[in-house]
Amino acid sequence: GQQVMQIPQYQHVQEGEDFTTYCNSSTTLSNIQWYKQRPGGHPVFLIQLVKSGEVKKQKRLTFQFGEAKKNSSLHITATQTTDVGTYFCASGGATNKLIFGTGTLLAVQP
Amino acid sequence: GAVVSQHPSRVICKSGTSVKIECRSLDFQATTMFWYRQFPKQSLMLMATSNEGSKATYEQGVEKDKFLINHASLTLSTLTVTSAHPEDSSFYICSALPGTGSYEQYFGPGTRLTVT
Repeated sequence: GQQVMQIPQYQHVQEGEDFTTYCNSSTTLSNIQWYKQRPGGHPVFLIQLVKSGEVKKQKRLTFQFGEAKKNSSLHITATQTTDVGTYFCASGGATNKLIFGTGTLLAVQP
Repeated sequence: GAVVSQHPSRVICKSGTSVKIECRSLDFQATTMFWYRQFPKQSLMLMATSNEGSKATYEQGVEKDKFLINHASLTLSTLTVTSAHPEDSSFYICSALPGTGSYEQYFGPGTRLTVT
């Protein structure tokens, strides 16, 4: 079945440094969603990208969908301790089922 | 708005018993709910799609007779883990999709199941 890989699995940064997680699929994606899960918490929706090459920004977060719609990235500028958590991409489709990526755990040291 | 609750938040049961987990959309109607399983430090694995008034659609490899899903109303879906075994111990999370054309899934807080 469809698999969505994310790299890196884990990233440790100093507060103020930038962070990027990458999401890759072997197949073309209808859309890509990004979720954040705080330690001990549940996933919270961040954004959905649908168009090839789409770029969306939310304050310090920048989301990008690849031209071929097979990859996506999330970039956080100047990380803060509140950014700690696991970031998942998830591929969606017509049935609204989500196939979650493997996730990237972000640790931010003050 | 868009709050999803799960009950119980934690449950410990003995091998061979059954456990029911409830997922409720508190302030919206959800025509579709999803059930996921998450192992420690791993991703969410979709188990099944639950549609109100119809049978659930299970993902490949998920035993429908072991994980019974009932979507009795537009605000409630239940997952029953039957004849639980220690390997069923996991974090079970539901999500709900409002029937308004929205693609954003709202997740419940999850249920930690421990089978002894």
